Amino acid sequence: DTAVSQTPKYLVTQMGNDKSIKCEQNLGHDTMYWYKQDSKKFLKIMFSYNNKELIINETVPNRFSPKSPDKAHLNLHINSLELGDSAVYFCASSPLSGRENSPLHFGNGTRLTVT
Amino acid sequence: KQEVTQIPAALSVPEGENLVLNCSFTDSAIYNLQWFRQDPGKGLTSLLLIQSSQREQTSGRLNASLDKSSGRSTLYIAASQPGDSATYLCAVMGYGGSQGNLIFGKGTKLSVKP
Repeated sequence: DTAVSQTPKYLVTQMGNDKSIKCEQNLGHDTMYWYKQDSKKFLKIMFSYNNKELIINETVPNRFSPKSPDKAHLNLHINSLELGDSAVYFCASSPLSGRENSPLHFGNGTRLTVT
Repeated sequence: KQEVTQIPAALSVPEGENLVLNCSFTDSAIYNLQWFRQDPGKGLTSLLLIQSSQREQTSGRLNASLDKSSGRSTLYIAASQPGDSATYLCAVMGYGGSQGNLIFGKGTKLSVKP
């Protein structure tokens, strides 16, 4: 069973479009995250979210917004896509914040290409 | 501002060799340090997590050490196998709460030749 699953695996779209990436975890974790891995392979946190708090990395444009319909899902919506948004986006989850010595579980990533 | 550096960027070894991957970080005030493995087209898999109060962790053929005062960690892989080929990422978590504080290095791409 896949613990953290993302869809789609690949997403090719044109500039200016709006798109969403879905993420689901079946681990019963309380906190979910979105990370971005750019062309230089740096992984950077974009958002962390639990049922109490959304923490946004200040460098993330407001065109990006996380949506959580329930504890097991954290979807990523991106408006007005730009060329620079091309990257691999990873969803991750962990137990309730406060158990910081529990490792993160990552999905397999969504490769977004904006043309 | 915390920065994480991994050396070398790439490493190619013959099967059976023991090897060491290096990670350094600029701010010693960390909560923990984690090593991950990333396979092409896949997500990250957690390998070892060392709490700030610990000096090393072991799992099978893997041993990770932590020297907070010098800002260094090493990942030792014993008797390397072709299946170990992957990119290895080091990440540190600072104080202030969540796993969202993980700061990653760029990784070391390891290739183990049969």
